[in-house]
Amino acid sequence: NAGVTQTPKFQVLKTGQSMTLQCAQDMNHEYMSWYRQDPGMGLRLIHYSVGAGITDQGEVPNGYNVSRSTTEDFPLRLLSAAPSQTSVYFCASRRTASGNTIYFGEGSWLTVV
Amino acid sequence: AQSVTQPDIHITVSEGASLELRCNYSYGATPYLFWYVQSPGQGLQLLLKYFSGDTLVQGIKGFEAEFKRSQSSFNLRKPSVHWSDAAEYFCAVGFANAGGTSYGKLTFGQGTILTVHP
Repeated sequence: NAGVTQTPKFQVLKTGQSMTLQCAQDMNHEYMSWYRQDPGMGLRLIHYSVGAGITDQGEVPNGYNVSRSTTEDFPLRLLSAAPSQTSVYFCASRRTASGNTIYFGEGSWLTVV
Repeated sequence: AQSVTQPDIHITVSEGASLELRCNYSYGATPYLFWYVQSPGQGLQLLLKYFSGDTLVQGIKGFEAEFKRSQSSFNLRKPSVHWSDAAEYFCAVGFANAGGTSYGKLTFGQGTILTVHP
């Protein structure tokens, strides 16, 4: 069972570079989301999607872009990386019916220098 | 906006001792409540969840949590801690709309780091 797969697991970027964090799930989940985790702040929601073609902003969307062209994939794009985006990023997915568990990927460690 | 507070940043217990990790939330609606555990360098693992019904919820690894509506709390407990329980623990809260979709937007507490002494 692949579950939620994130790539890459580790990445170092220079300030101003762009990159895409990939997230894929094979459970046919409608809902997908991206969180970032920073020390002492828990996880904060960046963007989410309730289905293909539908995305919306979370708590900390600035500097990030998302798209949802298929049910399986939900990439997160950093448009122009900044040191403040150094963080651990988690992708999550679930079915939209109430009561369904949220599944998290294993995380992507991003450092912006 | 909803918020989640885990008052204890770091807790240290001896192996075999009991454990209680605190979690308080603020929001007017009935929440969905979760506890996750994260080992260093790892992702999040769901310990238990509360959606409705019995307010005492049993989870994996011998953990349980009790939802107390009057106190807006969802504290995590374990009667006897093992060294392998050392990790960071996150409480999370979600709220469902009529379509049952919004609770995917979880709000997380700041996390509590658990250290276990032999």
